[in-house]
Amino acid sequence: GESVGLHLPTLSVQEGDNSIINCAYSNSASDYFIWYKQESGKGPQFIIDIRSNMDKRQGQRVTVLLNKTVKHLSLQIAATQPGDSAVYFCAENAGGSYIPTFGRGTSLIVHP
Amino acid sequence: DSGVTQTPKHLITATGQRVTLRCSPRSGDLSVYWYQQSLDQGLQFLIQYYNGEERAKGNILERFSAQQFPDLHSELNLSSLELGDSALYFCASSVDGRDPIYEQYFGPGTRLTVT
Repeated sequence: GESVGLHLPTLSVQEGDNSIINCAYSNSASDYFIWYKQESGKGPQFIIDIRSNMDKRQGQRVTVLLNKTVKHLSLQIAATQPGDSAVYFCAENAGGSYIPTFGRGTSLIVHP
Repeated sequence: DSGVTQTPKHLITATGQRVTLRCSPRSGDLSVYWYQQSLDQGLQFLIQYYNGEERAKGNILERFSAQQFPDLHSELNLSSLELGDSALYFCASSVDGRDPIYEQYFGPGTRLTVT
């Protein structure tokens, strides 16, 4: 498949470990945040979202944490699997805007 | 499979040429978004259409244009192509672009190579 080829930060983990991917956002007016997963040769896929009135949200094997004080977002993946290998993007939306601003992404590599 | 289709999957063309990329949104989605993903810029928003009308514009060059047709499919036209236009072009759709709380579904992308 095709890859983006960006010089991205890379996180390498062993299968079964927990992964934490971090994202710093820039706009203090952002009130809605999304994590996307992009596998090689595919488009980004929605994973989980969080509004600014929350600081934590859990999904299936994933948890998003939001720290508005330091404008930091993290994605935690529990029991990481080889199928989780992908580039992960955070995106932010400022109030009233439905156009997200994407971060540059982090490449997650899961070793079996 | 997101339900968003894009054609063609790959496109190779020469500088100065014009190409058209096509996107069919998910059934029922009214909004279509176009993004460019290049090696050095990451995922950049280009333009959004909602129910046939332009809703928002991002970093879209004047050489680029788009439209959304009555059947809600969209086309992105790229003209006077330059080497730097080589990138992945993604289309995404969502149910209602008027609500900030939305989920965008991305297509598989079109890989454009300008030689």
